[in-house]
Amino acid sequence: EPEVTQTPSHQVTQMGQEVILRCVPISNHLYFYWYRQILGQKVEFLVSFYNNEISEKSEIFDDQFSVERPDGSNFTLKIRSTKLEDSAMYFCASSEVDRGNYGYTFGSGTRLTVV
Amino acid sequence: GENVEQHPSTLSVQEGDSAVIKCTYSDSASNYFPWYKQELGKGPQLIIDIRSNVGEKKDQRIAVTLNKTAKHFSLHITETQPEDSAVYFCAAGHGNNRLAFGKGNQVVVIP
Repeated sequence: EPEVTQTPSHQVTQMGQEVILRCVPISNHLYFYWYRQILGQKVEFLVSFYNNEISEKSEIFDDQFSVERPDGSNFTLKIRSTKLEDSAMYFCASSEVDRGNYGYTFGSGTRLTVV
Repeated sequence: GENVEQHPSTLSVQEGDSAVIKCTYSDSASNYFPWYKQELGKGPQLIIDIRSNVGEKKDQRIAVTLNKTAKHFSLHITETQPEDSAVYFCAAGHGNNRLAFGKGNQVVVIP
């Protein structure tokens, strides 16, 4: 079964450093998403991406965050200057068509720890 | 925006019994309600979903019911097995792209 692949599985970084979280969505999917889950809290929407541009972003997704699809396969989330409160599990997801018709496929997540 | 609440936070059931998890949502415009199962070390996996034009959907031992008037929907797992032990998330959304998730429910099936 096709999978969404995320790397690394765990990233530890110093506060103020830049991190890039990587995702390889399912190849024929057109919509891409990033969500995060702070320990013990809800899964929160960050951003959705379609046709090489952001289609929607949440209030969490401020200027410190950016997304990119640098080639035909990767989808990345960059945090420019990490803060302690950015520590969370970050999930990438993709869907084939409009989410209204198909559910997302999630990756296994990247656990980001900011120290 | 949409707010999804999920109850209970933890549920323990004897193997073979049924488990029910309930979610409420706030936005009457939401029309898509998926349920995800998350096992340790893995990402959430879609197990069943329902759209607002139906009241119930069943897939083998799993069913979801939707009450649009009351704005709540429930996941029912019958004849629970140890492999059903996981965290279950409900979510709600509508025409835009984002889904609002509940906080998750830890289901423990006791052999």
